[in-house]
Amino acid sequence: SQELEQSPQSLIVQEGKNLTINCTSSKTLYGLYWYKQKYGEGLIFLMMLQKGGEEKSHEKITAKLDEKKQQSSLHITASQPSHAGIYLCGADNRNTPLVFGKGTRLSVIA
Amino acid sequence: GAGVSQSPSNKVTEKGKDVELRCDPISGHTALYWYRQSLGQGLEFLIYFQGNSAPDKSGLPSDRFSAERTGGSVSTLTIQRTQQEDSAVYLCASSWTSGSLNTQYFGPGTRLTVL
Repeated sequence: SQELEQSPQSLIVQEGKNLTINCTSSKTLYGLYWYKQKYGEGLIFLMMLQKGGEEKSHEKITAKLDEKKQQSSLHITASQPSHAGIYLCGADNRNTPLVFGKGTRLSVIA
Repeated sequence: GAGVSQSPSNKVTEKGKDVELRCDPISGHTALYWYRQSLGQGLEFLIYFQGNSAPDKSGLPSDRFSAERTGGSVSTLTIQRTQQEDSAVYLCASSWTSGSLNTQYFGPGTRLTVL
C-alpha cells in the first residue's frame, strides 16, 4: 500500500528565514497534493503536482516533484507568521481516496 | 461560491451514545469523502460517494460507522455506541468528480470528543 513519509515532523523557524519540507513516497506517484491546515480548521489546498520535475509556485511557496516522482519538497521563502500551520502531502495513486503523510508542524517566531 | 461546510464544529458526547455529523459539499461536486484525523495520526480515509454509485466503505473502522448521502448532496456520518477511541476530527471533502487528479476541497471538520 502507498505510504508517505514527511520530514521533519515539526519545524520552528525565525520569521524571514527560508525552510523546506519533504515528502517521500514508497511508490511512484501519479499525483501529489500539498495542503495546509491551521488548528481547528480544515485543509486548504495549496498545489498539485503530476509530472516528473514539475515545479509550481504560489506567492512565497514553491513545490517540486522529482523526476522519479517519488519525492516532493515544499519550500517557503522569507517565512511569515501567516505560514504557520501543519503542512500535509497527499498521494494520488490512481485510487480516489488520497493517502496522506502525517504532516509537518511549522511554527514561525518573530 | 461557498466551500464545504460541516456541522457541528464541535461535539462532546458520552460513551455509548450515537452521534451524527453533517457535511454539505460544494455545489455541483459529485464526489464526497469522509476522513478522520486522530491526535498523532495522519488523515485516515473512511468512506466516499460518487454520484449515485454504491459508496466505497473500505475505510470504515467498524460496523458502528455508517454514512449516507441524500439526493447526491448532503451527507451524514453516523457513529453508533461511541467509544473513546472515536475521539478525533472528522473531515469531509468534495471534488468535481472522483478519479485521479480531481482536487479535493475540505471542510473545517467536526471535532468529536467522547467522554
